[in-house]
Amino acid sequence: DGGITQSPKYLFRKEGQNVTLSCEQNLNHDAMYWYRQDPGQGLRLIYYSQIVNDFQKGDIAEGYSVSREKKESFPLTVTSAQKNPTAFYLCASNPRQLLGELFFGEGSRLTVL
Amino acid sequence: DAKTTQPTSMDCAEGRAANLPCNHSTISGNEYVYWYRQIHSQGPQYIIHGLKNNETNEMASLIITEDRKSSTLILPHATLRDTAVYYCIPTSGGSNYKLTFGKGTLLTVNP
Repeated sequence: DGGITQSPKYLFRKEGQNVTLSCEQNLNHDAMYWYRQDPGQGLRLIYYSQIVNDFQKGDIAEGYSVSREKKESFPLTVTSAQKNPTAFYLCASNPRQLLGELFFGEGSRLTVL
Repeated sequence: DAKTTQPTSMDCAEGRAANLPCNHSTISGNEYVYWYRQIHSQGPQYIIHGLKNNETNEMASLIITEDRKSSTLILPHATLRDTAVYYCIPTSGGSNYKLTFGKGTLLTVNP
């Protein structure tokens, strides 16, 4: 079935460690997004990419990095520079012609110990 | 993008219609109104969107006021599985398009 796959679903890391969250889509969508969600809060945009080999910072990009080497993949690295990395991370994608209709993955929950 | 105001929470009886309001008084002429919902610990799900006219699909109906300053999402026969946070998001298109999610409305459907 077509969709967006995020992995891992749950991840624990020690302070000072970098961690990479995977996001893969087989929907042939052009655009991909990473959001962060904290308890009781809405979603905040970290990075987004409209096409391969191009990406833009969202509202809270500090401490994060991304790459878009392939259309179907948009991994997010949470670096040690991110002061409060514990959160629920959501990846999304959409085709260029469907503007606001984002398709979301099931999320990755990161806990820093 | 326009700012939005939504109730923090609402309750609805199972089988009854759920009417979720959203105020977006600063919406511009080229901004659509999108609605999403998020069931606990899952990714958000697109529901419906509109520009000026009322819209209906298999999930819900969207009523937009004539002045476009507010809208209402209607779930005609709410079920327990409709318990979720509902987000109202005005946004325009363009090459650097993105959605901004606020805190939304927590709809609780009670048996």
